[in-house]
Amino acid sequence: AQSVSQHNHHVILSEAASLELGCNYSYGGTVNLFWYVQYPGQHLQLLLKYFSGDPLVKGIKGFEAEFIKSKFSFNLRKPSVQWSDTAEYFCAVNGGYQKVTFGTGTKLQVIP
Amino acid sequence: GAGVSQSPSNKVTEKGKDVELRCDPISGHTALYWYRQRLGQGLEFLIYFQGNSAPDKSGLPSDRFSAERTGESVSTLTIQRTQQEDSAVYLCASSLGGPGLAGNDNEQFFGPGTRLTVL
Repeated sequence: AQSVSQHNHHVILSEAASLELGCNYSYGGTVNLFWYVQYPGQHLQLLLKYFSGDPLVKGIKGFEAEFIKSKFSFNLRKPSVQWSDTAEYFCAVNGGYQKVTFGTGTKLQVIP
Repeated sequence: GAGVSQSPSNKVTEKGKDVELRCDPISGHTALYWYRQRLGQGLEFLIYFQGNSAPDKSGLPSDRFSAERTGESVSTLTIQRTQQEDSAVYLCASSLGGPGLAGNDNEQFFGPGTRLTVL
């Protein structure tokens, strides 16, 4: 069975600070990895995804994530956050023919 | 349609009543998921439909919960004899293909959700 862990439940940053949100998964085979974002009052939308190839994936709004197979990780990063990045971020994984499993989410609050 | 739609957007009901929530996936998407998001908590998987295969019901919390899907189109989630702990946002998502398919096929597109309040 696959699982996803997001270690940071609530992160508070000042504008211009750098961001890294942790995501670790457990699955021994090939995986597809996703980060979704939910802005206040809006529905979930895809931020970025990894299927194969370059392990450094770039998404919308300056976000990127790096797939490190040896660490079973897919951490989300942004060099300089903005107030508008305040949202909840979900990591998700699907391995093999299993359904997508979501992490419990990380709430990011950016202080102006 | 342009995206996944859900109805109603809000539902207030009394404890013990049955409710039915509807999801219209993106046309052509074979996979459909239902999730529950309680206030301040993450996504809780409920049920998954993939084409004509038997649905994965492993996430349904009790036998009060059931869901149906007509072919590869509309799905309804039914909660019988609602309880206060059923209060949550119920999210539906669809994807072009199911797990294991390469490329973009299993990117999920989410609807706006139905906020259910059980009094």
